[in-house]
Amino acid sequence: NAGVTQTPKFQVLKTGQSMTLQCAQDMNHEYMSWYRQDPGMGLRLIHYSVGAGITDQGEVPNGYNVSRSTTEDFPLRLLSAAPSQTSVYFCASSREGTPGTGELFFGEGSRLTVL
Amino acid sequence: AQSVTQLDSHVSVSEGTPVLLRCNYSSSYSPSLFWYVQHPNKGLQLLLKYTSAATLVKGINGFEAEFKKSETSFHLTKPSAHMSDAAEYFCVVSVLDTGRRALTFGSGTRLQVQP
Repeated sequence: NAGVTQTPKFQVLKTGQSMTLQCAQDMNHEYMSWYRQDPGMGLRLIHYSVGAGITDQGEVPNGYNVSRSTTEDFPLRLLSAAPSQTSVYFCASSREGTPGTGELFFGEGSRLTVL
Repeated sequence: AQSVTQLDSHVSVSEGTPVLLRCNYSSSYSPSLFWYVQHPNKGLQLLLKYTSAATLVKGINGFEAEFKKSETSFHLTKPSAHMSDAAEYFCVVSVLDTGRRALTFGSGTRLQVQP
């Protein structure tokens, strides 16, 4: 079982470029989410989805777009990269519609540097 | 509103000695509480969770945590540290607010284990 798979693991962008971080899960989880991890700040929620066709904003959504056309995939798009988006990005999924009392399953992360 | 405070950003112990990682939370509602572990260059993995059942919760790899409502704490302990415990640990609070659950991550505690 692959669990949650993120690609790419590393990426360097120039300011203004766009890119998509891919996330796929094979556990048939309804809930998927994207977090960013910055030193000393824990994880902050960017966007989440409670099922195919349904997405919503998290704590820090500006500069990011998401879509959920299938249960398995939840890509994160950076529209015009900025140095402030340099971070490690994690995709996470959960059996529940919202991660209330259950476990979040995380990918291994995508390290993004914006020059 | 809810919040979670991890009282130590770094903890260093010797192998074979006890581990104590401290977490305090603030919540207007009955929370669910989690501890996650992140090994270097990996995603987060659930260690244990408290969801209003027994106040002493046992997790994987010999870790346990005690929910103390009067102290609003959920400290993580292990009787004897192993070198493989060296990682970053995150305390997470989940509260049902306005019909949906919101997760808040602490800023993390880096555990160093000396030989």
